[in-house]
Amino acid sequence: ETGVTQSPTHLIKTRGQQVTLRCSSQSGHNTVSWYQQALGQGPQFIFQYYREEENGRGNFPPRFSGLQFPNYSSELNVNALELDDSALYLCASSSSGLAHNEQFFGPGTRLTVL
Amino acid sequence: AQTVTQSQPEMSVQEAETVTLSCTYDTSESDYYLFWYKQPPSRQMILVIRQEAYKQQNATENRFSVNFQKAAKSFSLKISDSQLGDAAMYFCAYRRGGATNKLIFGTGTLLAVQP
Repeated sequence: ETGVTQSPTHLIKTRGQQVTLRCSSQSGHNTVSWYQQALGQGPQFIFQYYREEENGRGNFPPRFSGLQFPNYSSELNVNALELDDSALYLCASSSSGLAHNEQFFGPGTRLTVL
Repeated sequence: AQTVTQSQPEMSVQEAETVTLSCTYDTSESDYYLFWYKQPPSRQMILVIRQEAYKQQNATENRFSVNFQKAAKSFSLKISDSQLGDAAMYFCAYRRGGATNKLIFGTGTLLAVQP
């Protein structure tokens, strides 16, 4: 069984650019959530995708958007990057959107915005 | 809005000793779940233990156990027989019931294990 994977591992962008982060969910999982973890902080929920539809969103502006594909992998897109977007971006997958199902986290993508 | 507070930024324990990490939360929901996650340096976040709010019995997973005080909205993690591999950042997290994966995390406690 393959775990949650994310790419790239590290990324450096400049302010104003756009970035796409990718996540492959664990086999059999149909729900993916994305989190932003700033340095020294706990992760903050960005949004959740269930069967290719966004069905939950945290307090992030519309320039944070996502996609989920038929194989349940997912992308996080961030437009007009700001310095404060520098963070570790985590994705997590689970077998459904139900609260009792465990989420499995990927290793994260470290984004640095200069 | 739900909040999770971890008041201990750093803790230290001697190998083989016991340590307790504190967590408090605030919610008006009756259906919710509480979690402790471990995030080793440069490694993936993993679930340590989970507690359903409707269960009165405290959860236990091998050397890890919780003290869930629902009325006080307290959820502490006890690590017994601490091992060097337990060194990591520990996050307390809340999730309400229903079809959502949204976890609300505390700011974390960095645990050091001294040999």
